[in-house]
Amino acid sequence: DAKTTQPPSMDCAEGRAANLPCNHSTISGNEYVYWYRQIHSQGPQYIIHGLKNNETNEMASLIITEDRKSSTLILPHATLRDTAVYYCIVRARGEGQNFVFGPGTRLSVLP
Amino acid sequence: GAGVSQSPSNKVTEKGKDVELRCDPISGHTALYWYRQSLGQGLEFLIYFQGNSAPDKSGLPSDRFSAERTGGSVSTLTIQRTQQEDSAVYLCASSLGQGASEQYFGPGTRLTVT
Repeated sequence: DAKTTQPPSMDCAEGRAANLPCNHSTISGNEYVYWYRQIHSQGPQYIIHGLKNNETNEMASLIITEDRKSSTLILPHATLRDTAVYYCIVRARGEGQNFVFGPGTRLSVLP
Repeated sequence: GAGVSQSPSNKVTEKGKDVELRCDPISGHTALYWYRQSLGQGLEFLIYFQGNSAPDKSGLPSDRFSAERTGGSVSTLTIQRTQQEDSAVYLCASSLGQGASEQYFGPGTRLTVT
């Protein structure tokens, strides 16, 4: 079970912000929210993770609701190279086992 | 530095043959994972190695699948008596170990069983 729900696909205009939602209503107190993406024919790439505070790095921002039941990944200025499948995953940090990848959201950045 | 590498990048084999897929993790990473991804599908966990501990084999789909990790570094995934449903991209990932957030993925091996 992926424990998360994401829309199957989204479009975004190049240069605009891409906001990718994720529902994780059964998240536990010790579980983090991770985001990965997979560009066509490549392995998944780590983007960002967070527990309850909003996080930002050079790739994206992660906004987690106060009740932690949902989150949004924000790509502030989407480019064509951001076209990929984006996976939202919840997992307790410190666990050594696998990440459970759901079907993700296929983001298409349009020129 | 060098990332996770996998070989071969593509493998075509006949049904019933055995295949070996190789993964070279990032140097110093103690954890190593194998996943597979069928066409248009998400990633399916296969097996996980952490240091010298016994591997977590809970994701292996059948006893035709096995994996080993020699010297805590290179790993080989072996599929015996391949079937057409084994056709997929096999992905390897490594991480610093328990507690580490990021898994770094290799480019995968595309296996086609004819």
